[in-house]
Amino acid sequence: AQKITQTQPGMFVQEKEAVTLDCTYDTSDPSYGLFWYKQPSSGEMIFLIYQGSYDQQNATEGRYSLNFQKARKSANLVISASQLGDSAMYFCAMREGVNSGNTPLVFGKGTRLSVIA
Amino acid sequence: NAGVTQTPKFQVLKTGQSMTLQCAQDMNHEYMSWYRQDPGMGLRLIHYSVGAGITDQGEVPNGYNVSRSTTEDFPLRLLSAAPSQTSVYFCASSNRGRNEQFFGPGTRLTVL
Repeated sequence: AQKITQTQPGMFVQEKEAVTLDCTYDTSDPSYGLFWYKQPSSGEMIFLIYQGSYDQQNATEGRYSLNFQKARKSANLVISASQLGDSAMYFCAMREGVNSGNTPLVFGKGTRLSVIA
Repeated sequence: NAGVTQTPKFQVLKTGQSMTLQCAQDMNHEYMSWYRQDPGMGLRLIHYSVGAGITDQGEVPNGYNVSRSTTEDFPLRLLSAAPSQTSVYFCASSNRGRNEQFFGPGTRLTVL
């Protein structure tokens, strides 16, 4: 069963505006981690941000923040002040077992973000 | 550190040919994995390994073999390539206690 759902195949945002990319997940493990990766047209996978299920505060990394709503099982990525260089595919992923490097990372199908000048 | 390296970057095969995609990491990571990426499908897990000598199947293992004889290397073997295996393949690694999974640059494989 798919554990990560990204319902927005594509999104457009005006430069300098904020944008939210949706991600919902499903797990019965109380201990898990949520990740967002960016894949520009060059193809590499770039790690953006991480949220652990036991983390009390929402994760932030520069212009990226993760809106973690545990009861709703959602982990939306918010990009503030969008830049043209933010145009890329964005993947949400989950790993069961917090601080465990030894379980598979499961990915959603991705959202393609296009930033318009 | 070179991080995670993959070779080759590009490969074209004919149906029925075999080949090995190479993956190596120099971060002493225990965990390594192989994904394939197809349009509209995200990244799907093929095989993974939690340490030397230990491997397990992911979501789409059919047609692929792996082995892990050393911590550093995790090759992916296609025994008899099929057009359905045309894809971009990513290798990744991480360690226990480290949350980030590091990805290689990918191998673009075309099977004719």
